[in-house]
Amino acid sequence: QKEVEQNSGPLSVPEGAIASLNCTYSDRGSQSFFWYRQYSGKSPELIMFIYSNGDKEDGRFTAQLNKASQYVSLLIRDSQPSDSATYLCAVNAGGTSYGKLTFGQGTILTVHP
Amino acid sequence: GAVVSQHPSWVICKSGTSVKIECRSLDFQATTMFWYRQFPKQSLMLMATSNEGSKATYEQGVEKDKFLINHASLTLSTLTVTSAHPEDSSFYICSARRDGFRLAGTSTDTQYFGPGTRLTVL
Repeated sequence: QKEVEQNSGPLSVPEGAIASLNCTYSDRGSQSFFWYRQYSGKSPELIMFIYSNGDKEDGRFTAQLNKASQYVSLLIRDSQPSDSATYLCAVNAGGTSYGKLTFGQGTILTVHP
Repeated sequence: GAVVSQHPSWVICKSGTSVKIECRSLDFQATTMFWYRQFPKQSLMLMATSNEGSKATYEQGVEKDKFLINHASLTLSTLTVTSAHPEDSSFYICSARRDGFRLAGTSTDTQYFGPGTRLTVL
């Protein structure tokens, strides 16, 4: 069974700190990796995607991918209270499963002033 | 930007009734749409893949006769929960894959999520 696991939360960080969110996946053939943010009662919104090993930066967000270790992470720098949400890691397997996203269980992040 | 709408945004129904949820891509064509379900404090679980003009593909454990999916056009997919029961109460979310609109540098089409429909079955 293809699985996506996220570090257990909830995660609480002070405003201005770096929040680190981690995710591992079991399907070595996975091709694309996504981080979504979901506020309570809302649908997920895409923050970042990554498909190549290494780092990808977008503003305060940095995604890191290590396919050999089957690991993807999201760093949020200068965390703000508005970043408080559930963060979902999602994996696109590709191939015959093209387009299907498998989601992790989510990590609840709280940024306190 | 690409927009996906869902209707209704919330619905309350009696046990045994059927409920139809619509998912529309407003400004792009979507050959493929996905239906997810999310129970409280849980992650999104893919229910089925909806393909325009053909039968939907259901994930293991999802009853195709209970969750009827119709993808009649390139912009509309519907999910009908038949004979709904309280255990079907959940947050139903669709996503639409924008044909040919690839994530930068990849062969992966971008998916856009609808705002979700909250179903409560009494």
